[in-house]
Amino acid sequence: EDQVTQSPEALRLQEGESSSLNCSYTVSGLRGLFWYRQDPGKGPEFLFTLYSAGEEKEKERLKATLTKKESFLHITAPKPEDSATYLCAVQAYQGAQKLVFGQGTRLTINP
Amino acid sequence: DAGVIQSPRHEVTEMGQEVTLRCKPISGHNSLFWYRQTMMRGLELLIYFNNNVPIDDSGMPEDRFSAKMPNASFSTLKIQPSEPRDSAVYFCASTPRQGGGVVNTEAFFGQGTRLTVV
Repeated sequence: EDQVTQSPEALRLQEGESSSLNCSYTVSGLRGLFWYRQDPGKGPEFLFTLYSAGEEKEKERLKATLTKKESFLHITAPKPEDSATYLCAVQAYQGAQKLVFGQGTRLTINP
Repeated sequence: DAGVIQSPRHEVTEMGQEVTLRCKPISGHNSLFWYRQTMMRGLELLIYFNNNVPIDDSGMPEDRFSAKMPNASFSTLKIQPSEPRDSAVYFCASTPRQGGGVVNTEAFFGQGTRLTVV
């Protein structure tokens, strides 16, 4: 069974304090790993897709990396507006378009 | 484009009543997904459609749940009868038509319907 585990569950940082969120996964043939951002009361918003180990993608203060067992979402010099829940999901070859999500990391950036 | 549109945004109903959630996907998207989000279980896929045809409904919890997609621009998720444990936020998402070797495209989510069954 495909599984995604995210850590930590919650993270509180000061503005400008860089850190990383972890997404560990087990999947029977990874087709893609997705990162989403979710603000309170809203639906998840797409950030990145990673397809193979060693791949990296960046968007503003965020950078996502992928290995064969896990993915990291690095946040550099975060701002209060980066506060949100960050969700990781995997898509397996055998699961067609099905996404299996982790529980998310709730990130709070204090000014 | 207005994005994926869900209605209602909030629904409060009594146990035993029928509940219908509605979704309008982004125009031109040919895959539609229904997810349920709770604190305990996170985001779970209930069912998804390709070209209006249900492909995988293994996530539908019970026979009380049913979903339809009569055309490319409309889908419903129905719960009959509803129970308090059905209380959750229900999301609809859609993805663009895939082809030309592209198989991994991001899903665009609606704002969700917060369902409370009392």
